[in-house]
Amino acid sequence: GESVGLHLPTLSVQEGDNSIINCAYSNSASDYFIWYKQESGKGPQFIIDIRSNMDKRQGQRVTVLLNKTVKHLSLQIAATQPGDSAVYFCAGADSWGKLQFGAGTQVVVTP
Amino acid sequence: SQTIHQWPATLVQPVGSPLSLECTVEGTSNPNLYWYRQAAGRGLQLLFYSVGIGQISSEVPQNLSASRPQDRQFILSSKKLLLSDSGFYLCAWSKQGRTEAFFGQGTRLTVV
Repeated sequence: GESVGLHLPTLSVQEGDNSIINCAYSNSASDYFIWYKQESGKGPQFIIDIRSNMDKRQGQRVTVLLNKTVKHLSLQIAATQPGDSAVYFCAGADSWGKLQFGAGTQVVVTP
Repeated sequence: SQTIHQWPATLVQPVGSPLSLECTVEGTSNPNLYWYRQAAGRGLQLLFYSVGIGQISSEVPQNLSASRPQDRQFILSSKKLLLSDSGFYLCAWSKQGRTEAFFGQGTRLTVV
């Protein structure tokens, strides 16, 4: 099966700076890749997804980049705010919507 | 609008006791339904998914079972809990053919 994992367990970012969260995957079986945000004690919240045949997608303050050559996925958050502090997960999704999650990156926004 | 309800929020159960966690979805029909488990400080692991009433697929061998008695109701059960069943259980739904999954608020289960 596919393995999805993250490079950095914790990312400390100063408020107003841009954040980049990275994710590597080993097997290209997913139809989509998705980023989720999880605040403490809550369920994951969908941020943005990207089809496996795309290399970039932008949302509100977020951009996801997919590099299939090196099997790498990243989430860029512009002008990071205190409310962005959370654990971020990347996940691969198959055609049934089944998600395979990475371990997660804790983002800490400092004033 | 669609909403997902999951209860209870927290649960402490003794080893060997039964388990029943319930999840319901409102505002949509024929959703795909999922049960995930999250160990402390880790990612989520898919346990079960269902594409329709009575249709359950298990992703990993375990001490748990799932049922879908109604279109928008998904139940996670166990006859006898083990210590290793402790964790954060999350129910999710998605529209057929879509990848965006919406999660419930989760149930934190502690088996003692």
